[in-house]
Parts: sequence; C-alpha cells; structure tokens
Amino acid sequence: DQQVKQNSPSLSVQEGRISILNCDYTNSMFDYFLWYKKYPAEGPTFLISISSIKDKNEDGRFTVFLNKSAKHLSLHIVPSQPGDSAVYFCAAPLPRTNFGNEKLTFGTGTRLTIIP
Amino acid sequence: NAGVTQTPKFQVLKTGQSMTLQCAQDMNHNSMYWYRQDPGMGLRLIYYSASEGTTDKGEVPNGYNVSRLNKREFSLRLESAAPSQTSVYFCASSVIMGTDQSPLHFGNGTRLTVT
Repeated sequence: DQQVKQNSPSLSVQEGRISILNCDYTNSMFDYFLWYKKYPAEGPTFLISISSIKDKNEDGRFTVFLNKSAKHLSLHIVPSQPGDSAVYFCAAPLPRTNFGNEKLTFGTGTRLTIIP
Repeated sequence: NAGVTQTPKFQVLKTGQSMTLQCAQDMNHNSMYWYRQDPGMGLRLIYYSASEGTTDKGEVPNGYNVSRLNKREFSLRLESAAPSQTSVYFCASSVIMGTDQSPLHFGNGTRLTVT
C-alpha cells in the first residue's frame, strides 16, 4: 500500500524553464517530507526537506511546497539545468508505533530530463 | 572521505546460492539501513539498525538477514537466493533515526542478479 505516490514516471523540461515534480500522500500523520535525487549508477542524495508545520522551504534553485489540506507536495526547480536530469524521489517517515522507530517510505520516483 | 561504501558493485548468483553484501560508513553515524530498488516500486526498506547492537525488520525482510558488526559496518545476507531477489541494493546511514535533520546518506548500490 503506497502511502507516498508519484504519479508521473517521467517529465521533460526545457533548460532554463521551471521543473515541477509532484508527490501525493495518504497519511495525514506524516511529520515531514524529504526529496532525494538519484543519478544512474549512484545512490540517492538528499536534496531538501520540509516540516509539516511549514508550507514552503527554499534552498537556492529548489523550493518545496506543502499543501496539507490536499495532501500534496511539489518540488520546483528554477531555472532547470542539464545537471538536474535525474530521478527524484519524495519520502516521508511512517508514524512510529509504540517504542518503534520512524522508517522512511519512498515514492516510486519521477525521471526528470532537462532538454538543452 | 568515502561516506558509505558497498561491496561488491555487481554480483550474479544461481538460485539457492548464498552471499553477503557488505556496507561500511566512515561518518560515525548511529543508524544504518538496507534498501532495495525495483522498477516501478521505489526504494523499499529491508532491515535497519537504529543504533549499534540493534537490528529490526523493515517493509520487505523475508529471505534476508542482517548483522550490525560494529558502528561502521552493516551486512546483508541472502541465505538461499531466489530470482525475486534480483534487484539493486542500497545501504544507507544517518546520524540518528527519525528526524528531518538527519537525512540518509546512501552508498552507490550493489546490482544483484539471481538466475
């Protein structure tokens, strides 16, 4: 049962334009969300996070927006660059059970291709 | 600074064979994890170790065992490999578990094929 969903497997964007990657979730108990970026033959790397008490977090060209009422978050990349071509995963920690640990659950990823 | 190192990078096994995937981190992190990535499935947690001396099951633990050998090393063992275990395996570590201030650091993966 996928609690974090990325419904677009792929996205192509012209260099210099805005890239918008979307993520939907089903569990209103999630405390925070993270985005990871993955290049081929490498492990994912952390990109940006947002706490559920905020609706926006910005880091350079990357901004994540959170809409709690819609259970939706999006990652905006402005301006898009060829080096941004990668697979992007959104993730959230499953609420902990009694004395348990939070475990990250990942979406299925969106492959972003930036067209020069 | 190597970060998270996984060995081997590639492996082909026959059904029923066993093997151990090795993982070491040099960041003095407390928590370590094993994930598998399959097409269309994202990353799924197999096992994790919240701190040295503890291990626990993740989403898909069947067919695997783990050992937290010390604070640096966390190994994943397949006792009797099956074709369904064909996947890319990622080891990760974090300072602690369960906070947005402690993101995961991943190794570069082990691509395993079971025939």
